[in-house]
Amino acid sequence: LAKTTQPISMDSYEGQEVNITCSHNNIATNDYITWYQQFPSQGPRFIIQGYKTKVTNEVASLFIPADRKSSTLSLPRVSLSDTAVYYCLVAPIKAAGNKLTFGGGTRVLVKP
Amino acid sequence: DGGITQSPKYLFRKEGQNVTLSCEQNLNHDAMYWYRQDPGQGLRLIYYSQIVNDFQKGDIAEGYSVSREKKESFPLTVTSAQKNPTAFYLCASSIGRGRGLNTEAFFGQGTRLTVV
Repeated sequence: LAKTTQPISMDSYEGQEVNITCSHNNIATNDYITWYQQFPSQGPRFIIQGYKTKVTNEVASLFIPADRKSSTLSLPRVSLSDTAVYYCLVAPIKAAGNKLTFGGGTRVLVKP
Repeated sequence: DGGITQSPKYLFRKEGQNVTLSCEQNLNHDAMYWYRQDPGQGLRLIYYSQIVNDFQKGDIAEGYSVSREKKESFPLTVTSAQKNPTAFYLCASSIGRGRGLNTEAFFGQGTRLTVV
């Protein structure tokens, strides 16, 4: 499984855009990049997933450069409720016997 | 409503006792997972199962045991051999078996276990 590296924490202010970069230098050809969000005392929830270029949904955007060795989760105009831990995972999307391994995540604090 | 249910939400046990945490899902998912989370830390994989009657050790399986007798259920037993069992335990499921989007896991609300 590809190892991922994320910043431990980030601070931001309401209304700003937050960008979290995840490094995954040994990503494999059939690996997808998935991001999760976790609030305190809750289980993580799936935010967005992509393979290459850009993916956007109602919550976030995911930017993946051509070499796929990193990815950036972009949260537009954050609010206080976006304060959470964000995890980057890299794994094959359809592999049987898939072992979903989470790293330490990035703790995002949104300030008023 | 479809989802994944963990019970109980809070659990207190005396040191040296085994305790079993329940996890049930009605999403028709093949894959199920157990994670442990300590304060301020990320999730660590304890055990995972891709199909009924089969399961594999994760990264921190020592002191834990699981069973997968039914597709819907994946209980975790924290045994007395687990040296530091106090933690937040999360169960998850995903569609599994190469049916697509296996990396989208759905989590329960967690069980907070305190051993005194």
